[in-house]
Amino acid sequence: QVQLQESGPGLVKPSETLSLTCSVSSGSISSDYWSWIRQVPGRGLEWIGSIHFGGNTDYNPSLKGRVTISIDMSRKYFSLKLNSVTAADTAFYYCARSGGGTFFSWGQGTLVTVSS
Amino acid sequence: DIQMTQSPSSLSVSVGDRVTITCQASQAINKYISWYQHKPGKAPKLLIYEASNLDVGVPSRFSGSGSGTEFTFTISSLQPEDIATYYCQHYDELPMYTFGQGTKLEI
Repeated sequence: QVQLQESGPGLVKPSETLSLTCSVSSGSISSDYWSWIRQVPGRGLEWIGSIHFGGNTDYNPSLKGRVTISIDMSRKYFSLKLNSVTAADTAFYYCARSGGGTFFSWGQGTLVTVSS
Repeated sequence: DIQMTQSPSSLSVSVGDRVTITCQASQAINKYISWYQHKPGKAPKLLIYEASNLDVGVPSRFSGSGSGTEFTFTISSLQPEDIATYYCQHYDELPMYTFGQGTKLEI
């Protein structure tokens, strides 16, 4: 089963850009969709966006305009960029393999804190 | 937007209990309902997809059912390792993925 691992800075300053990478191992990145989900501590899960292996992207309308998801097939990773962050963007960020409306496999998540 | 209302938000349980969690949609929805188990510090785990299909390797004590606006997740006989928070999730073709608020099981 595919394994996913998030990486990136754990602390980002307000107004700057949050950047995370999800490495894919034990499987192919050349199929399905690849997604980012977040969870504000103590609250529920929120879908951020997804990218098809062919490059098409879909984003949550509530974050559209601030989010960019990209994929690097040769290096087997996909990335999240969220710009103009505020304290409200402090959350655990998860990457996942998705398809058919379901998130099949998830990473363990990484906490990103927005603070000066 | 379709809202998913999950209940209860928490549940006090004992080993061997039959546990039922409900997700109610704000309007009739398609079959794309999934259920996940989430333990602190771990990756969320898919248990059920398309309302009633058990993911590979998931024990048969877990099940899902429902249609229209009401969907149910059941653990037939709770085991100690089932203590976790459970989430429902809906997908529509906009596309948009919406999660329920979660149900935390506590001993």
